Amino acid sequence: AQKITQTQPGMFVQEKEAVTLDCTYDTSDQSYGLFWYKQPSSGEMIFLIYQGSYDEQNATEGRYSLNFQKARKSANLVISASQLGDSAMYFCAMREGEDDKIIFGKGTRLHILP
Amino acid sequence: SAVISQKPSRDICQRGTSLTIQCQVDSQVTMMFWYRQQPGQSLTLIATANQGSEATYESGFVIDKFPISRPNLTFSTLTVSNMSPEDSSIYLCSVEGGTSGSYETQYFGPGTRLLVL
Repeated sequence: AQKITQTQPGMFVQEKEAVTLDCTYDTSDQSYGLFWYKQPSSGEMIFLIYQGSYDEQNATEGRYSLNFQKARKSANLVISASQLGDSAMYFCAMREGEDDKIIFGKGTRLHILP
Repeated sequence: SAVISQKPSRDICQRGTSLTIQCQVDSQVTMMFWYRQQPGQSLTLIATANQGSEATYESGFVIDKFPISRPNLTFSTLTVSNMSPEDSSIYLCSVEGGTSGSYETQYFGPGTRLLVL
């Protein structure tokens, strides 16, 4: 079974609209961390936002927020007021328990339309 | 967060040859990670490299194919040996830097785009 599931392979959104990128995860650990990364066409991986399993409030970083629904094992990324520069691949990822490694989802390609 | 550089940024290689990718960090780090991203795919961890010990490889990756060196706390190399077209990928190194809550966040280098002909 996949640990991280991103069900939207691609999305097209009009500039200035809000965007929600879906992510569900599977773990039996009580302690885990969830991450979102952005990968522009240049190939670099840019860290966006983090949510810990014990964090009671949803994480926010500028225009990025994480809609964390623990009971549903959901960690959707919300981008407010989208910009053309937001066009990229977005990966949801998780670290669980004592493990050092990060497991990535398959990603969602976001296209922002002018 | 740490500043990470990789060399080369891209290369085109002939099958059967080997390529060594360098990863340099501007601060001392305990663990360095090497990932592969095949075209249109997600990232897959190849191995974790700690200074002073042998790298730990993930299932499906072996030392003979992907030897890794970690001579000090700021530098690592990954060699892709006896390359085939299936090795065409982006190779990324990453390090932990900055704690996000209970877990360290991993930051990535700019990647090395490899095309094997």
